[in-house]
Amino acid sequence: KNEVEQSPQNLTAQEGEFITINCSYSVGISALHWLQQHPGGGIVSLFMLSSGKKKHGRLIATINIQEKHSSLHITASHPRDSAVYICAVLAQETSGSRLTFGEGTQLTVNP
Amino acid sequence: DAGVIQSPRHEVTEMGQEVTLRCKPISGHDYLFWYRQTMMRGLELLIYFNNNVPIDDSGMPEDRFSAKMPNASFSTLKIQPSEPRDSAVYFCASSIYYYNEQFFGPGTRLTVL
Repeated sequence: KNEVEQSPQNLTAQEGEFITINCSYSVGISALHWLQQHPGGGIVSLFMLSSGKKKHGRLIATINIQEKHSSLHITASHPRDSAVYICAVLAQETSGSRLTFGEGTQLTVNP
Repeated sequence: DAGVIQSPRHEVTEMGQEVTLRCKPISGHDYLFWYRQTMMRGLELLIYFNNNVPIDDSGMPEDRFSAKMPNASFSTLKIQPSEPRDSAVYFCASSIYYYNEQFFGPGTRLTVL
């Protein structure tokens, strides 16, 4: 079982829909990243959070440390949001923290 | 700032050859990370540096891989000898602090024939 699991693996939506991508992890963490990888391959860091909620434009990220779960929400989705969204956790280990990645969620937003 | 710079953007080489990938982090960032991305394994952290010192290299797959950071503005990832299974996209990223947002370079797509 992977330490970081994302769902769904693939998601197709119509423009304007509200989208939720989920990330569950099984280890203690220091923080969690949400990354966006564009079709061309470039990676952008969207959020880094260790508690609560963060918002940037149409993107909202939440984390529940007790439930070991994070969600990424996209409001009023647009075709340009089509990308792979990757969850990564800074897993706490005896020797420090280690970054562990989920497998990603492929999002396609159709016009 | 130009962001994280990686070179080359594409590299095609033959099995057994030495490959050197280069990275220039964002000025003022104390942390530098090397990642590998493949279809089979997704993104993996290979190694990271803090103030030019390697901190965690447990993700380096084997002795054929080595990384250096001779100064704050330059790092290399070397594979010698290269093998076809090393074909992947290699990303470099930098951050001000370990718990801060990371900024990724455009990646180097390596193909080993």
